[in-house]
Amino acid sequence: KAGVTQTPRYLIKTRGQQVTLSCSPISGHRSVSWYQQTPGQGLQFLFEYFSETQRNKGNFPGRFSGRQFSNSRSEMNVSTLELGDSALYLCASTTTGGSFYEQFFGPGTRLTVL
Amino acid sequence: DAKTTQPPSMDCAEGRAANLPCNHSTISGNEYVYWYRQIHSQGPQYIIHGLKNNETNEMASLIITEDRKSSTLILPHATLRDTAVYYCIVRSLNAGGTSYGKLTFGQGTILTVHP
Repeated sequence: KAGVTQTPRYLIKTRGQQVTLSCSPISGHRSVSWYQQTPGQGLQFLFEYFSETQRNKGNFPGRFSGRQFSNSRSEMNVSTLELGDSALYLCASTTTGGSFYEQFFGPGTRLTVL
Repeated sequence: DAKTTQPPSMDCAEGRAANLPCNHSTISGNEYVYWYRQIHSQGPQYIIHGLKNNETNEMASLIITEDRKSSTLILPHATLRDTAVYYCIVRSLNAGGTSYGKLTFGQGTILTVHP
């Protein structure tokens, strides 16, 4: 099975712009989660989508949004970019089966805001 | 999900066992202990998880104390490729499934394996 893929891998934007990141989960996985990783705050949960619905949300401003399509692919959008949005954005898809829930992470998108 | 406490860093000689501790004194009965690791600039990777019994897989062993307030991840024969940040996470898997896709990461332990 192919792993979680994220595009693009690297992105450079300027303040005030918006950006859209894409994530394709492992085939058959219906849950997609997004995380932001920065040196100062570590890995922080952004939100989770399951069957095209947002199921969980972290403590991020409304500039951060996402969506999921019927094929489980997900996108996240950040509007009005700020310098502090520079980070590694990780997507993960989740498999379920009984008590076993494992998240598989993609390689991430490195966003730099200038 | 319960909070976890891990040492910020540890060293280990190549070929020796690496024992990474985690304290989760407020863990509740329906919460599992999960371990992930993140090698530099890659996405985190699942290692192992357990509820109250010791667990072993091809990557590691997980020892959970009888009172479940702490656990130890054991890498039996550490290699240079095991150098990474190791995260201990406690999470519930309630029937409602509302916490399926959310992991709360702490700062983790930076494990450095030396030749």
